Amino acid sequence: GAGVSQSPSNKVTEKGKDVELRCDPISGHTALYWYRQSLGQGLEFLIYFQGNSAPDKSGLPSDRFSAERTGGSVSTLTIQRTQQEDSAVYLCASSLEAGVYGYTFGSGTRLTVV
Amino acid sequence: QQPVQSPQAVILREGEDAVINCSSSKALYSVHWYRQKHGEAPVFLMILLKGGEQKGHEKISASFNEKKQQSSLYLTASQLSYSGTYFCGTGPGGGGADGLTFGKGTHLIIQP
Repeated sequence: GAGVSQSPSNKVTEKGKDVELRCDPISGHTALYWYRQSLGQGLEFLIYFQGNSAPDKSGLPSDRFSAERTGGSVSTLTIQRTQQEDSAVYLCASSLEAGVYGYTFGSGTRLTVV
Repeated sequence: QQPVQSPQAVILREGEDAVINCSSSKALYSVHWYRQKHGEAPVFLMILLKGGEQKGHEKISASFNEKKQQSSLYLTASQLSYSGTYFCGTGPGGGGADGLTFGKGTHLIIQP
């Protein structure tokens, strides 16, 4: 596609529910990243995929968070048993080649846990 | 360790120049610069790699001092469209497996 697409754009969920966030990167971009941005804050790195594999999952905030990427394309970030502190904008980005080119970010999913 | 950006905020008149600094306590492989407008996604401005290579797609310039672990972004003859929050992201691993560690941002306001 022309850009990085994320869905849903907004999600309001009740505390304790599971949510799934989707990212569709730019076609041909091998690297895919998830970041989290809390209100007025910088971007917090969550996880990186090279192809379908994530070399290091230590950036995920807790074991309630998981992510996968299939077919070297679409990625999903799943948050189980959501908590209020999970409320943030979740941004996905893709890059033509990790470490060499800049990121193209999606518009993000604004998650609100009530 | 999160890089430190300075200044935290700056207000300029259209046409004035600005310098935004990014300093890290860790050795750097690469520095990325992004601009984010309110309610929008960050937009890539420039990547500076160890060894001096630069890649960007806007009329801006930047420096990368590997020894001092610092980078600076230079905005000359600022335009109203330059307003936004500027983030630097540093990558010991080249922004690959380690991702980037972003600073808290510099808020830039350009007034007519």
